Amino acid sequence: GAVVSQHPSWVICKSGTSVKIECRSLDFQATTMFWYRQFPKQSLMLMATSNEGSKATYEQGVEKDKFLINHASLTLSTLTVTSAHPEDSSFYICSARGGAGGQRSYEQYFGPGTRLTVT
Amino acid sequence: EDKVVQSPLSLVVHEGDTVTLNCSYEVTNFRSLLWYKQEKKAPTFLFMLTSSGIEKKSGRLSSILDKKELSSILNITATQTGDSAIYLCAAFTGTASKLTFGTGTRLQVTL
Repeated sequence: GAVVSQHPSWVICKSGTSVKIECRSLDFQATTMFWYRQFPKQSLMLMATSNEGSKATYEQGVEKDKFLINHASLTLSTLTVTSAHPEDSSFYICSARGGAGGQRSYEQYFGPGTRLTVT
Repeated sequence: EDKVVQSPLSLVVHEGDTVTLNCSYEVTNFRSLLWYKQEKKAPTFLFMLTSSGIEKKSGRLSSILDKKELSSILNITATQTGDSAIYLCAAFTGTASKLTFGTGTRLQVTL
C-alpha cells in the first residue's frame, strides 16, 4: 500500500514554455502533499506544502507565481513550472501524507520523481 | 531557519567495512528524526527516531538519536555493494508538520 506516482518521469522542454507535473496517491487519500526539488548531488529542498482544497504554502525563496501548485482532490496534486528556464532543470519529487496528523503524521510516501530538463 | 547537516558528504569503502553516517540538526519544534536511502529515484524510508538513546535496528543497519547533542548516527555493518546510495536524514518538525532534509551522504561500497 501507500503508493505515489508521478507523471511524467522525464520531460524536456524549451525555455519559456510551461510544464505540468502530476502527483497521485494511488491507494490512499492524501490530505497533504509536498513538493521537493533536488539538484544534482544535493539534498531535497522543500518547495511547498499543499493541503487538499486550499492554497499551497510556499517555502521562503520559492516563487509561487512561477511554481503553481494545485491540490484539487485527495489523490491528485499538480505542479506547473511556468515560463521554464534552464535553471529550473532539476529533479522534482512529490510526497503524500494521509490522515489528519497525529503520531504518524511524519509518514510521507514519496513519488518516483520527475526529471525536468529545460533547453 | 531550520537546518540539518550530514557528514561526511561522500564516502567510499570496501565491501565488508562498517560505516557510520552523521546527522545534526537545528530546528524549531523538533519531533523526530528520519533516515532515508535514495538510490536512483525517490527516497525510501529506513528509520524514524523520536526518543534519545534507543537504538533502532533493521538487519545490518542501526540508528540512534541523541537529543542532547541534537544529532543522530546511522551505522551500516558488513557493507555490501547494494548499500551504495545517498543516505538522507530529515528532521520532522511539529510546527508545520514538515520534513527538513540534510545535505545527504553519498556512500559507495566497492568490491
